Amino acid sequence: GAVVSQHPSWVICKSGTSVKIECRSLDFQATTMFWYRQFPKQSLMLMATSNEGSKATYEQGVEKDKFLINHASLTLSTLTVTSAHPEDSSFYICSAYPRQGIQPQHFGDGTRLSIL
Amino acid sequence: GENVEQHPSTLSVQEGDSAVIKCTYSDSASNYFPWYKQELGKRPQLIIDIRSNVGEKKDQRIAVTLNKTAKHFSLHITETQPEDSAVYFCAANRDDKIIFGKGTRLHILP
Repeated sequence: GAVVSQHPSWVICKSGTSVKIECRSLDFQATTMFWYRQFPKQSLMLMATSNEGSKATYEQGVEKDKFLINHASLTLSTLTVTSAHPEDSSFYICSAYPRQGIQPQHFGDGTRLSIL
Repeated sequence: GENVEQHPSTLSVQEGDSAVIKCTYSDSASNYFPWYKQELGKRPQLIIDIRSNVGEKKDQRIAVTLNKTAKHFSLHITETQPEDSAVYFCAANRDDKIIFGKGTRLHILP
């Protein structure tokens, strides 16, 4: 149980394209989800906290107009990378709590984004 | 905010020997410390975690120790095996968020 599903798992697109990544909690409701970014051979960096029914909270240095987050339901958060450029190429991973606020979080399988 | 430091960045040990990875954290309010194993291109996998009300936890070949006073915590892997080769991340919570260390690439030598 407590599965977090992420889609797509891999996407390649041209520079200037906007890309949407979905994060779904399959068998539980998640009022809060988290988005991370991981560059090659680096750690996971928290980008933002996605809050159901309200605005996302972004970490320092993360552009909210660049990385649009929508959490319209208790089982779905989306991250849209707007006007993506090669430097946005990375591994994006979401996570959520099967039980609100109680560790551990469960991670999605990640989305590898490559911008040409 | 929370800052998690992890050492070493790379570690090579002979198969069968023990491996130790050390982390420090900065926020005294942190009370949850997970350790993750990540293989190339995959999600981080929780291997063990410890909460601030205990000083040590063990699960078969894996153990974690926590020193709240010094804000140190460590991962110990005994009798290492080839399948232990991976990148390991320590982490600490900042409220309901998880902040990761920079990772340790563990190589198990035959």
